[in-house]
Amino acid sequence: QVQVVESGGGLVKPGGSLRLSCAASGFIFSDYYMNWIRQAPGKGLEWISYISNNGAHTQYADSVKGRFTVSRDNAKNSVYLEMNRLSTEDTGIYYCGRLDVWGQGTTVAVSS
Amino acid sequence: DIQMTQSPSSLPASVGDRVTITCRASQGIRNDLGWYQQKPGKAPQRLIYAASSLQSGVPSRFSGSGSGTEFTLTISSLQPEDFATYYCLQHNTSPYTFGGGTTIEI
Repeated sequence: QVQVVESGGGLVKPGGSLRLSCAASGFIFSDYYMNWIRQAPGKGLEWISYISNNGAHTQYADSVKGRFTVSRDNAKNSVYLEMNRLSTEDTGIYYCGRLDVWGQGTTVAVSS
Repeated sequence: DIQMTQSPSSLPASVGDRVTITCRASQGIRNDLGWYQQKPGKAPQRLIYAASSLQSGVPSRFSGSGSGTEFTLTISSLQPEDFATYYCLQHNTSPYTFGGGTTIEI
């Protein structure tokens, strides 16, 4: 059964940093690109990043480019999102997944 | 960036209704589009991939069509569990972009 589980969310002050993790199981992880999307409270979905199956290629939304870094460890079936210079606009639920399956999300709250 | 314009933003409907949601891309995206359903407090679930292919396990009352710049999601006979918010996502060109969402409400 394909499953992804996000972790690492929490409360952080503006300007701070946070690292999200995503553990995958039930499929050949190294065969798949992985994505991060997010949802601000009461708002729609926003795609923010992907990483290629071997980690060589990454892309970002303009809203996070230069502040967020996606990486992966295929030996651990995991993908990560390093988030720096966080602002209140980064508050929301962050989901990890392939385009067909998403985890249940982890909540990031940026507040002073 | 490719803009995805989704309409309507809200859709009053009743059980048994046939409903159609539209997404228009600001430039051609072939058929690199998926449709997602999201219920409150839950992760999005993909219903349709490649614009018109039904995701495994999704009821056949859901269907998708279109290619290029215009896409539709149709629910042939609305069921109580279908009241939710629906999004399209283009994955032809980075940055990928979601439509603004359509909430089907009673």
